[in-house]
Amino acid sequence: QKEVEQDPGPLSVPEGAIVSLNCTYSNSAFQYFMWYRQYSRKGPELLMYTYSSGNKEDGRFTAQVDKSSKYISLFIRDSQPSDSATYLCAMINTGNQFYFGTGTSLTVIP
Amino acid sequence: SQTIHQWPATLVQPVGSPLSLECTVEGTSNPNLYWYRQAAGRGLQLLFYSVGIGQISSEVPQNLSASRPQDRQFILSSKKLLLSDSGFYLCAWSHPRTGLREQYFGPGTRLTVT
Repeated sequence: QKEVEQDPGPLSVPEGAIVSLNCTYSNSAFQYFMWYRQYSRKGPELLMYTYSSGNKEDGRFTAQVDKSSKYISLFIRDSQPSDSATYLCAMINTGNQFYFGTGTSLTVIP
Repeated sequence: SQTIHQWPATLVQPVGSPLSLECTVEGTSNPNLYWYRQAAGRGLQLLFYSVGIGQISSEVPQNLSASRPQDRQFILSSKKLLLSDSGFYLCAWSHPRTGLREQYFGPGTRLTVT
């Protein structure tokens, strides 16, 4: 079983839709949870990170962590064509080991 | 503000040839530096990280090596490339205080070994 699982998609939504991107993990020792956005042929860009459980909001983006279910989500409100990219989750455990998901490809259709 | 540069942007090299990829960071001192490889359909794999000049840690055994000759310079090398070395190579930096949770990536180098 992989440490971090992420549905590769692709996910296609109309402009203005609410997007939900998810990752699951197997190791309860993860404590930091990050979301990156990667445009085609570019390096990943950090969107936000959260520590332990709870929600964090930044503009149209909300990150949510449910440690009891070992499940994290990134919500994008009022999605825009410029949000079309691959979204990568990443996690750090208490041993400072770092794991990336494989990414979910998102297309927002105008 | 901080910026990170990588070059070259793309590279096509024959099997058995040497490799040198360079990464430099501006606008910060004593950054943590990282090399990743991203293969198609796979997540990012951490190859090397460095917390200071001359200090290199390797995460996976491989055909590659890394060096940090200056505070803000990180180099990825190989003496003889293999076909399996093809991929998208990314350099990243972070502040020592925030470590892995706030990494900033460069634009990447796409390497094709033929």
